[in-house]
Amino acid sequence: ETGVTQTPRHLVMGMTNKKSLKCEQHLGHNAMYWYKQSAKKPLELMFVYSLEERVENNSVPSRFSPECPNSSHLFLHLHTLQPEDSALYLCASSRDSSSGIVAEQFFGPGTRLTVL
Amino acid sequence: SQQGEEDPQALSIQEGENATMNCSYKTSINNLQWYRQNSGRGLVHLILIRSNEREKHSGRLRVTLDTSKKSSSLLITASRAADTASYFCATAGSGNTPLVFGKGTRLSVIA
Repeated sequence: ETGVTQTPRHLVMGMTNKKSLKCEQHLGHNAMYWYKQSAKKPLELMFVYSLEERVENNSVPSRFSPECPNSSHLFLHLHTLQPEDSALYLCASSRDSSSGIVAEQFFGPGTRLTVL
Repeated sequence: SQQGEEDPQALSIQEGENATMNCSYKTSINNLQWYRQNSGRGLVHLILIRSNEREKHSGRLRVTLDTSKKSSSLLITASRAADTASYFCATAGSGNTPLVFGKGTRLSVIA
């Protein structure tokens, strides 16, 4: 195990549903990330939180809303998703890079999301 | 773009053979990292090589970095069926720029 857990592991939702993905890390890291992984596409960085502040938002649609209540927990709130949002959503954590060195990331097992 | 590109996209070898995967990138980097992903699972960090390093070893893994050619290679020696996975390189720029992942190489090791 990597020390990063994600729930649920699988999620099927309709386009009008509201759901949340949860991520928890037990590594003492202070940076956390949400990635989207679709078939045959590179891993897409969605959001970055460093020291509980959002530092990256790569033009992600507003139907995805992140929340980082503390350095150990990260949520991704979902509402009115589209079928093309179906993908594997991965959470990761790392030491923050304020020292100027980008550290290795530790990933959770992912949530396989299907939007009907 | 800083994004690394792995080559080949897919590789199939017999158990016991060596597997070599390459990664090329376009801009200067602080470090380069390799990750493995088993099907439908999260990525697992394998090795990090800094821009001032040329070679690094970890068990059966050997990573090289040539900053003049903006390329890196991952060698897995004496491959096993359990090495079957997708392998990604990720480049890290300077400062707080996030990691940028390539599309990966899918390795199949046949027993």
